[in-house]
Amino acid sequence: DAKTTQPNSMESNEEEPVHLPCNHSTISGTDYIHWYRQLPSQGPEYVIHGLTSNVNNRMASLAIAEDRKSSTLILHRATLRDAAVYYCILRDGRSRNAGNMLTFGGGTRLMVKP
Amino acid sequence: DAGVIQSPRHEVTEMGQEVTLRCKPISGHDYLFWYRQTMMRGLELLIYFNNNVPIDDSGMPEDRFSAKMPNASFSTLKIQPSEPRDSAVYFCASRVGAGQHYGYTFGSGTRLTVV
Repeated sequence: DAKTTQPNSMESNEEEPVHLPCNHSTISGTDYIHWYRQLPSQGPEYVIHGLTSNVNNRMASLAIAEDRKSSTLILHRATLRDAAVYYCILRDGRSRNAGNMLTFGGGTRLMVKP
Repeated sequence: DAGVIQSPRHEVTEMGQEVTLRCKPISGHDYLFWYRQTMMRGLELLIYFNNNVPIDDSGMPEDRFSAKMPNASFSTLKIQPSEPRDSAVYFCASRVGAGQHYGYTFGSGTRLTVV
């Protein structure tokens, strides 16, 4: 399985943008890039996903490098409620079984300072 | 939409006892997943179902663990007998469809402590 590498932790100031990086140098052409986050004492929640093009939704933006070997989750204005562990996950678009499985790594713990 | 509902939220049991964790997926979701989270191992997929049928149980740690989905609105994860190393937070998640454009919805988890 293609793996992802994320920094263990990052710190941000409230109301400033946050760029959370993810490296996935062994990504295959059919792997989708998914981001989930886990707030304290809660289950993970879906944030955003993409394949090749940059994506925007109400929660965040996803910037994907041209060679797809890295991506960046962008929170445009961090709030205290955004303090969470953010997971970057690859899902296989080919395999019906592998594509069904979310495999979580260690993620990045984002701390937001007031 | 009430989301994925798990019960109980907390469970404390003695070693050797049987433990049953329950999950009600979102109505209409045809995939159901059981995950376990510990500090040492992070989030691990235990088993998942599609249309109530177990598809991949390769993550189930031992024969002491079993999972069932008798109908589309209910699933159980049973541990018998329980051991202290089973202490973890167990999450249930559901999803509709097999495509990449469908996100997973997780429940709030059951925190299991085996003493």
